[in-house]
Amino acid sequence: QVQLVQSGAEVRKPGASVNVSCKASGYTFTSYYIHWVRQAPGQGLEWMGVINPGGGSTKYTQKFQGRLTMTRDTSTSTIYMELSSLRSEDTAVYYCARDVLGASRGFDYWGQGTLVSVSS
Amino acid sequence: EMLMTQSPATLSVSPGERATLSCRASQSVSSNLAWYQQKPGQAPRLLIYGASTRATGVPARFSGSGSGTEFTLTVSSLQSEDFAIYYCLQYNNWPYTFGQGTKLEIK
Repeated sequence: QVQLVQSGAEVRKPGASVNVSCKASGYTFTSYYIHWVRQAPGQGLEWMGVINPGGGSTKYTQKFQGRLTMTRDTSTSTIYMELSSLRSEDTAVYYCARDVLGASRGFDYWGQGTLVSVSS
Repeated sequence: EMLMTQSPATLSVSPGERATLSCRASQSVSSNLAWYQQKPGQAPRLLIYGASTRATGVPARFSGSGSGTEFTLTVSSLQSEDFAIYYCLQYNNWPYTFGQGTKLEIK
């Protein structure tokens, strides 16, 4: 069965970086984009960016340019999302979600979410 | 950046009744719109993509319509498990953008 399993909760100080992983299983890893979406406490969903696991190409929303990096390891079917220069406003649950390459069919499977807390 | 506006912010409906949720785009997104349901402490769940196609396993009481800038999600006969927050997402233009959500609550 399709699964996206994310790494556990993280606590960081302002200015630090965090790396969240998303391990895919149950499908062909390179046939689906992986998107990252975050949700601050009590707030709505915010799309952050996407990676094509096949070639590694990425697209990030401008808000995170320079702070956000997505990478992949095809040998372990794992996607990594690194966010640097953390500030308190980055405290949120971070989700990975997949979408098929080509004509989108929406984000049909999601990871369980990873809480990142930023506090001094 | 495309702005997605959902209305109302909160909708109070009795079980068994119909609920109609709206999503408006600041410019045309064609039919590249999805709807998601989110319950407390859970990841979002895909309900509708392509504005009107139900995702696998989604009950037939959920339906989506619209194209261009105006979209609607209808829940024909509300069940207790349908009370949640609903988000629309446009995936026609970068960056993808979500609406701010509509909370569907029990009346």
